[in-house]
Amino acid sequence: QQQVKQSPQSLIVQKGGISIINCAYENTAFDYFPWYQQFPGKGPALLIAIRPDVSEKKEGRFTISFNKSAKQFSLHIMDSQPGDSATYFCAARASNYQLIWGAGTKLIIKP
Amino acid sequence: EAGVAQSPRYKIIEKRQSVAFWCNPISGHATLYWYQQILGQGPKLLIQFQNNGVVDDSQLPKDRFSAERLKGVDSTLKIQPAKLEDSAVYLCASSLDRAYNEQFFGPGTRLTVL
Repeated sequence: QQQVKQSPQSLIVQKGGISIINCAYENTAFDYFPWYQQFPGKGPALLIAIRPDVSEKKEGRFTISFNKSAKQFSLHIMDSQPGDSATYFCAARASNYQLIWGAGTKLIIKP
Repeated sequence: EAGVAQSPRYKIIEKRQSVAFWCNPISGHATLYWYQQILGQGPKLLIQFQNNGVVDDSQLPKDRFSAERLKGVDSTLKIQPAKLEDSAVYLCASSLDRAYNEQFFGPGTRLTVL
C-alpha cells in the first residue's frame, strides 16, 4: 500500500512532441504528489507538484493531471525539448511526511 | 543561496572496508534526509533527522550503517563494513521542516564497493 508505481521505465520522444509519464498509488492517505527531475550526476530537483483536491496543475510546458478516483496521476511535457532529457520521478507524501518514490522514467528527447 | 553540499563525490572501496559521507544542508533547514539510490531505482530513505534528533531510521541497516547530525547542522553517514550491495549513490537532502513540501538535494556520493 505504500508503493508508487511509475511507467514507462524509459521513453523516447521527438523534439516538439508530448511526453507523458504515469504513476499510480494505493494509499488514499497520501496528500501531496511531487514530480522530481534528475540529470546525470545531479540530485533530484522539484519540478512541479499537486495536491489531491486539484485535478490539474500547469507550470509552463509541464502539467500534472490528477485522477483521485482512479488513484493515478501523470506528468505531461508539452513541446518536449532536448534539454528535457533526464530521469523523472513521481512521488507521494505519506501521513508521516515521508516521500514514497516511483522507480523513475528515463526520458530521451530526440532532436 | 548555497545548495546542499556533499563530499566526497565518488568513492571506491573494497568490501568489508568502512566509508563515511558528509553532508552540509542549506542553512536554516531543520530536516535532513539520507537516501540510497541504486541504479535504475528511485531514492530510498535511510534516515531522517529533525534538527539533531532522529525522526525515522526504520530502513537503515543498523548492523552496518550509522548516521549522526551533530549540533543540528552537518551530518555524516557511515558504512562499516561495506558489502557489494551497498554500491549506490547516497543522496543528502534538506527541507525547512519535515512538514514542508520541497526537499532540496545535494549532488550525491557515488559509492562503488569491489
